[in-house]
Amino acid sequence: SQKIEQNSEALNIQEGKTATLTCNYTNYSPAYLQWYRQDPGRGPVFLLLIRENEKEKRKERLKVTFDTTLKQSLFHITASQPADSATYLCALDTRGQNFVFGPGTRLSVLP
Amino acid sequence: DAGITQSPRHKVTETGTPVTLRCHQTENHRYMYWYRQDPGHGLRLIHYSYGVKDTDKGEVSDGYSVSRSKTEDFLLTLESATSSQTSVYFCAISDSLGTEAFFGQGTRLTVV
Repeated sequence: SQKIEQNSEALNIQEGKTATLTCNYTNYSPAYLQWYRQDPGRGPVFLLLIRENEKEKRKERLKVTFDTTLKQSLFHITASQPADSATYLCALDTRGQNFVFGPGTRLSVLP
Repeated sequence: DAGITQSPRHKVTETGTPVTLRCHQTENHRYMYWYRQDPGHGLRLIHYSYGVKDTDKGEVSDGYSVSRSKTEDFLLTLESATSSQTSVYFCAISDSLGTEAFFGQGTRLTVV
């Protein structure tokens, strides 16, 4: 069956460290993968998109990698800050006309 | 913020009653989606639309119907609400495949 997993439900890290979140999938062959941030009581907000022919994408303190052989994407936040605390969702396309989400990882950056 | 509005933002309804949620966009985006979000399940796709009058089912479409008679509006209808449909519903829009999606603020629906 098709499945998307994110490494853990919750992740705590110390301020200033690099947070690494994992998205693994099975029985999908996405052409692209997206990462979103969601704060409590709000809708998800788009962060980064990476395509299947791209290995890495960066935006300010964010970095995403995409390994189609391992069927995995890694999402890194460098020099993390308490303001980065949120739930992070990966989403991948289904080669159709929609996309599906992973369950999310709740990140807490401790001061 | 992208011009996407969901209404109502909160609703309490009784089991067995019909409920319609509205998603309105001012971005002229082609794709519109309805998701529900529940603890332990994340965001799950209910229905989506790829153009006016063009809709298709997502993974959790049972008990829901949709309509899109205009580019800007995408309606989600619960024909006969059940307690299992208590959830937070999000609408999203996208200009094309392979681009970012913009989400509304969500509608919290409680079925009692």
